[in-house]
Formats: sequence, structure tokens, C-alpha cells
Amino acid sequence: ETGVTQSPTHLIKTRGQQVTLRCSSQSGHNTVSWYQQALGQGPQFIFQYYREEENGRGNFPPRFSGLQFPNYSSELNVNALELDDSALYLCASSPGTSGSTDTQYFGPGTRLTVL
Amino acid sequence: GQSLEQPSEVTAVEGAIVQINCTYQTSGFYGLSWYQQHDGGAPTFLSYNALDGLEETGRFSSFLSRSDSYGYLLLQELQMKDSASYFCAVRNTGGFKTIFGAGTRLFVKA
Repeated sequence: ETGVTQSPTHLIKTRGQQVTLRCSSQSGHNTVSWYQQALGQGPQFIFQYYREEENGRGNFPPRFSGLQFPNYSSELNVNALELDDSALYLCASSPGTSGSTDTQYFGPGTRLTVL
Repeated sequence: GQSLEQPSEVTAVEGAIVQINCTYQTSGFYGLSWYQQHDGGAPTFLSYNALDGLEETGRFSSFLSRSDSYGYLLLQELQMKDSASYFCAVRNTGGFKTIFGAGTRLFVKA
């Protein structure tokens, strides 16, 4: 059984640029959530996808958007990058039904630095 | 607003028992989860409580009181490898959003 994978591991961008982060969910998991984790803080919920539909969103502006594909892999896109977007971005998958989640399996994360 | 409160740091000695408390205030509640995160690593699921009471998984136990909006994680027979950050997280009603606390950093000393 393959775990959750994310790419790239690290990324450096400049203000105003756009970035796409990728996540492959664990086999059999149809729900993917994305989180932003600043240093020394807890993960902040960005949004959740279930069967290719966004079904939950945290307090993030529209320049944070996502996709989920038929194979349940997912992308997080961030436009017009700001310095405060520098963080660890975590993807978590779960075998939830009807969008419910309790046990979430996290990927190793993508460390984004915005200069 | 929605918030979870947990202590920022706890220190304990190897072999001891430590309890990490979490109080929550959320607009909806479905269950309380606990995650462990080592430095540079990803959060790892430890336990989940949807109903009042104690759940035991090996050296780790988790407790929930829905009426008090309170839970705790109990770690027994502490080992050096338990040094990590521990997060409580609330899944809201419907399960479409998970809110994490700021985390408790546990230091285990020899």
C-alpha cells in the first residue's frame, strides 16, 4: 500500500508568482484535504475535496484553489504569491465516505518559500 | 469563533505519565482527534473520539467530554522518541472541516 506523496519537496518562488503543488492520495482514499502550516503552529485547513468536488473550505482567499482528479490525486494552486504564504503545505487523504473524515493520513509536505 | 486551546509545552521524564489537555470552542462538533508530529515530519494520526469516554491504544489513551468541550491525550511509559509536538483537532459537524490546535511540544528527559 502506497502512502500519501507530495511534490515537490521544496520550492522557492518570488512575490506575485503562481505555484502548483501536487498530492497523490493513499490507495483507496477518495477524500483529500490541504493544510498550511506555519513554523511553530498547527495546520490550518485550506479546503477538502471529495470525489472531485470541493466540499469544505477554510478562511483562505480565492487565490488558493484546487483540483481533484478521477484517480483522487489533487493539486493546490496559489496565485499572486505573498511573503506570508511561506509555509509547509500538507496534503492529507482519508477513506471517508460522504466527505466525512476522522483518520487522516498526511504526506511529507511541500516547503514553500516566497522571497 | 472557533478555537482549540492546549498547553504550548510540557516536560516529563522517561517512564513517566503525561496528560495533554485540549479545550475547544467550535460552531459544530463531530469528533476530537490527536496527531503527533516530529520535527521536520508530517502529522501522524494517534486517536479519535466521537463519543464521551476513554479510548486506549497501546501506551496512548484519549478522553473526551462533549458536555465540557474538553479532551486529553494520556501518554504512559514515556520514551525519548515521544518527544514531539501533539495536536488536538476537531472535525466539525458534517465532517467537511478540521480545525487544529496550535500544538503542545512535549520534551522527554532522561
